This record gives sequence, structure tokens and C-alpha cells, in this order.
Amino acid sequence: GENVEQHPSTLSVQEGDSAVIKCTYSDSASNYFPWYKQELGKGPQLIIDIRSNVGEKKDQRIAVTLNKTAKHFSLHITETQPEDSAVYFCAANFNTDKLIFGTGTRLQVFP
Amino acid sequence: ETGVTQTPRHLVMGMTNKKSLKCEQHLGHNAMYWYKQSAKKPLELMFVYNFKEQTENNSVPSRFSPECPNSSHLFLHLHTLQPEDSALYLCASSQDPASDEQFFGPGTRLTVL
Repeated sequence: GENVEQHPSTLSVQEGDSAVIKCTYSDSASNYFPWYKQELGKGPQLIIDIRSNVGEKKDQRIAVTLNKTAKHFSLHITETQPEDSAVYFCAANFNTDKLIFGTGTRLQVFP
Repeated sequence: ETGVTQTPRHLVMGMTNKKSLKCEQHLGHNAMYWYKQSAKKPLELMFVYNFKEQTENNSVPSRFSPECPNSSHLFLHLHTLQPEDSALYLCASSQDPASDEQFFGPGTRLTVL
């Protein structure tokens, strides 16, 4: 079936620490894996994505890793800041016509 | 500014009312989507339109009726809703349905009394 599991559901870290969010997907044919950040009162916004032809991608303090064999991918945020506090969603594509989203991780960064 | 606008931002309706949600994208995208966001299922895909044709209906009850008159506009017509339909309804668009960034609107917060 079409399924994306995401863990943890909540994550609290101290400012400056790293945060890691993990997702697994069910369809071995999936080849596009975006991550979205949703702040209060706003729609989700893409922060980074990765395609199946690479294993890792980095953009400043944010990185994503992909393990196609194990069908899991992870978001890494280093040197966290209070403005990183938000809900983060992973997603994977299915059947070339849609994205299925994970259940979300509420990240809180304490100063 | 994401280029995707939604109106209204808030809507309160009774179970016998008929209302419509509107979404407009100014990004020249070919695909548009409706998602339902609630505490139980955070981002639940409802409908997908690609080049104005519906390509996905994720087992959505018929009390939700989508309409896509052109590639820039998407509507969600609501009638005889139930209280459990109260949620944030998000519209999104992308160039390609499943391999490009989806741009989301701010959502319509719907409350069904």
C-alpha cells in the first residue's frame, strides 16, 4: 500500500543542538522525497528534496540522506535555532501522480 | 508569497449549507491539489488535477465536489458536511504531479457546526 511513516512525532532540542527526523516508505519505485516545514498559520513550504539518484544532499544547516535499499530517508538540522521550531513533513511520490506525506514531526527548539 | 491564494481563509457553516472554497495559482503550473489537514491525518490528499483533468480521487465522500475550470483555478464545493469534516483545507500546485515542488496556499480553516 501507499504509506510513509515518520518518527518522532515530537522532538525537543536545545538551541545549537542537532535534530534528526526519520521516514520510511513502502513503494520501492518511489524516486522523489521532499521535506516540508509548516509554521503556525501557514501552508507547508519545501525546505529540501532529494531524488533517488543521490544518497545525500545538503543546504547550509539542513541535510537529507536516502537509503533506497532500506527505503528510508532522514532530515538532519544542525546548529538549531528557535526559528527552526515548526512542524516538519516528509513525503514520497507514488505512481508518478501524487505525493504521500508522513504524519509530521513537531520540532521545538528551546533557547 | 507562494503564488497560491485561497479564499476564504476562515469559514463556518452548518450541516445543511452549501459553500465553495477557491484556490488560484499564478505560477503557470499544470497540476493542482486539494489536501485535508486535521489532527488525525495531518496531510491527507483528496484530489489531484493535471492539465484540468482529475487524475486522483482518494476515496473522498461525494459531499466534497471539486471543479477545475482552467489550470489556474481550483474549487472545492461543499454540501451537507458533517462536524468531522472540520479541518484546514490546503490547496497546492506544481509543474508536475509527482516529481516537483508543490507550492501550498495558506489554507481555509473550515468549521462545520
